[in-house]
Amino acid sequence: DVKVTQSSRYLVKRTGEKVFLECVQDMDHENMFWYRQDPGLGLRLIYFSYDVKMKEKGDIPEGYSVSREKKERFSLILESASTNQTSMYLCASSSLLAPKVHEQYFGPGTRLTVT
Amino acid sequence: AQSVTQLGSHVSVSEGALVLLRCNYSSSVPPYLFWYVQYPNQGLQLLLKYTSAATLVKGINGFEAEFKKSETSFHLTKPSAHMSDAAEYFCAGSYGQNFVFGPGTRLSVLP
Repeated sequence: DVKVTQSSRYLVKRTGEKVFLECVQDMDHENMFWYRQDPGLGLRLIYFSYDVKMKEKGDIPEGYSVSREKKERFSLILESASTNQTSMYLCASSSLLAPKVHEQYFGPGTRLTVT
Repeated sequence: AQSVTQLGSHVSVSEGALVLLRCNYSSSVPPYLFWYVQYPNQGLQLLLKYTSAATLVKGINGFEAEFKKSETSFHLTKPSAHMSDAAEYFCAGSYGQNFVFGPGTRLSVLP
């Protein structure tokens, strides 16, 4: 089974702090994604990466950056956390190979509260 | 723009009743289509996937979905609801590199 793990289930940070959210997958997937999930807004893509050191902006990249130094690890960075970044953050990965192509596998999520 | 819509943000059914969750996609070329389930405070779990091999797709936990190109629909059904099916369900479409989620439908199962 594919396993995607996230470093924390719950996190509380103060406004202005730098926040790191870590995601690790164990299936050698090429693609990795960061989403945020908010009530009434569904899942929104922040960034994705299709290879080591490669990244692409999603729909809402403002206020976030990412890092992918190793294939299995994709980090989301909040340079200066703000209260409007309080949300559930979900990491996902997917393969480019058939038959699992395009299937995204999700981690358990990190519920971040910024006070 | 590519989009996936789900009719009904909240659906309630009685235990043992038919579950029908609606999903429509926008595209002249059918994308890969998916249904995901999310239990409280958890990530999303893949229920089933349409890849054009068959229009009726069977998934886990007794769910299935039927792809209808003429209606641009991919509705999710289960013949008999169980209390453990209470969760949020997301329809999604993969358009090349672009993965689009619907807004989700919360399913409540009443005893």
